[in-house]
Amino acid sequence: QKEVEQNSGPLSVPEGAIASLNCTYSDRGSQSFFWYRQYSGKSPELIMFIYSNGDKEDGRFTAQLNKASQYVSLLIRDSQPSDSATYLCAVNGVGSSNTGKLIFGQGTTLQVKP
Amino acid sequence: NAGVMQNPRHLVRRRGQEARLRCSPMKGHSHVYWYRQLPEEGLKFMVYLQKENIIDESGMPKERFSAEFPKEGPSILRIQQVVRGDSAAYFCASSPALGGTDTQYFGPGTRLTVL
Repeated sequence: QKEVEQNSGPLSVPEGAIASLNCTYSDRGSQSFFWYRQYSGKSPELIMFIYSNGDKEDGRFTAQLNKASQYVSLLIRDSQPSDSATYLCAVNGVGSSNTGKLIFGQGTTLQVKP
Repeated sequence: NAGVMQNPRHLVRRRGQEARLRCSPMKGHSHVYWYRQLPEEGLKFMVYLQKENIIDESGMPKERFSAEFPKEGPSILRIQQVVRGDSAAYFCASSPALGGTDTQYFGPGTRLTVL
């Protein structure tokens, strides 16, 4: 079992729709959860981070964390073609040593069609 | 406020040569992380450094790879005797303080091509 799992996609949604991206992680000791966006050939760009159970909203983005289910998600409302990218879920604090290193999922490719 | 800086952005080496990748963290950040992204693969942690200290190198290959973050100057990831399998994008990230929960900000990356 991978430490952080994401559906690779592609996830295709029409412009204006809600895109829902999901991520599961294996280590219950994980403490911090991050969503990065990566355009092709570019570096990861931080979108959101979440530490506590529940929802966290920032503009069109909402991160949701459920530690009991070891599940974190990202919702993108009013999706735009410019949101088309790969979304990386990252988890901090995996394993016995919490040195801050991030464990990344494989990423989900999102395609927003005009 | 300059972000994380990496250079060179593109590096071409022949098999057996050495590659040196440099990373300057964001101003005020004292923690540096290196990650590697192989073609069609996810980001993999390599090493975490603070000034003059390697904190976690659990992701570094045992041979040919080394990293440092001297008291003065950028962090350097060094790959000796490169092989074609080292071709990848190498990203540096920095965080401001204790690395436990602080967010990491990524540099533009160095794309290494080994011929």
